[in-house]
Amino acid sequence: GNSVTQMEGPVTLSEEAFLTINCTYTATGYPSLFWYVQYPGEGLQLLLKATKADDKGSNKGFEATYRKETTSFHLEKGSVQVSDSAVYFCALRRTALIFGKGTTLSVSS
Amino acid sequence: NAGVMQNPRHLVRRRGQEARLRCSPMKGHSHVYWYRQLPEEGLKFMVYLQKENIIDESGMPKERFSAEFPKEGPSILRIQQVVRGDSAAYFCASSPTDNTGELFFGEGSRLTVL
Repeated sequence: GNSVTQMEGPVTLSEEAFLTINCTYTATGYPSLFWYVQYPGEGLQLLLKATKADDKGSNKGFEATYRKETTSFHLEKGSVQVSDSAVYFCALRRTALIFGKGTTLSVSS
Repeated sequence: NAGVMQNPRHLVRRRGQEARLRCSPMKGHSHVYWYRQLPEEGLKFMVYLQKENIIDESGMPKERFSAEFPKEGPSILRIQQVVRGDSAAYFCASSPTDNTGELFFGEGSRLTVL
């Protein structure tokens, strides 16, 4: 079946540290892949996406590359800010979006 | 262009009562999705609807839960005879097409069952 596995959190970093949140998927074919972010008390917002193998999605300093060889879509940012503290969800698209369990990121100054 | 609107934002029900959650998709969107978020479990897909049609309800519990998206008006997620385990945040999302595009989420409705 289709599924998404994310690294478990919480991830705690100091401001300006490098961030990696691992995401791997299981799916038939090559689905579109997404990262969504959820700030406290809010709904989910699209952070970035990639629709085919080797595509790189990027937004607000975050990047992720669609790797079909490793079925991965790891999220990275070179220098995190306190305002990046949120829950991050990796997802693949079938009829609907199938999400991972989410990874909580906490950034301190 | 208004985003996805959900109401109520917070709903408190006693065990055995009914809960109705409403979702108005973004203008021009004809596809609606409902998700449930429980602590430590992430978001679980429940149902996908188009106007007047249920396309995929594979994530809906077999009993007490139903959803509709009428020709006019918002989509409704209905939970009958609520139990404490139904306490969760319920998110609605919409999209203009049903293939590979992103989904646009509302801010959620938080249901608390006493």
